[in-house]
Amino acid sequence: SQTIHQWPATLVQPVGSPLSLECTVEGTSNPNLYWYRQAAGRGLQLLFYSVGIGQISSEVPQNLSASRPQDRQFILSSKKLLLSDSGFYLCAWSVYTGSNEKLFFGSGTQLSVL
Amino acid sequence: GESVGLHLPTLSVQEGDNSIINCAYSNSASDYFIWYKQESGKGPQFIIDIRSNMDKRQGQRVTVLLNKTVKHLSLQIAATQPGDSAVYFCAEKYNNNDMRFGAGTRLTVKP
Repeated sequence: SQTIHQWPATLVQPVGSPLSLECTVEGTSNPNLYWYRQAAGRGLQLLFYSVGIGQISSEVPQNLSASRPQDRQFILSSKKLLLSDSGFYLCAWSVYTGSNEKLFFGSGTQLSVL
Repeated sequence: GESVGLHLPTLSVQEGDNSIINCAYSNSASDYFIWYKQESGKGPQFIIDIRSNMDKRQGQRVTVLLNKTVKHLSLQIAATQPGDSAVYFCAEKYNNNDMRFGAGTRLTVKP
């Protein structure tokens, strides 16, 4: 069966520090991978998605970047964190099955930038 | 722009009652819809989905209804239990575009 791992679960970082969040998927090949951000009490905002190694699409201009060095690995990074980067970050994967695409989410990383 | 929204941000029900969570969407081209459940501090979990060529789909204790005429989606939970307390999101997808999520409804089940 497929599983998705996301870490760390919580992170407290000072403003201006770098960030690296990692996500890995097991049990599937060539998945679509996603990074979402969720502000407290709000919906999900798509940040990045990737349909293959080295292929990254960005949805919104921001202080973050993403990379996909391996088929089942997706990394969210920042060189210098801002206060506004605080939030709950979710990694997700999908396997496109016809016109039905289900997203499966990781357990999330709660990032607090102080 | 196109969006997915929810009529009510919060819903409180008595244990054992049925719950109905509503969602409105504005893009008539959307052809696939999903309901997710998110418990506190966790990632969203898939509950049930429905394609636009259907108007009803049932799962275990849950039913999703789709009314394309008024662009309305609902999630019905039968015999609501304390474990159903969570935030529920609807999401829409059209063509090969990415999935769009609503803001969510918080369901609280009172014992």
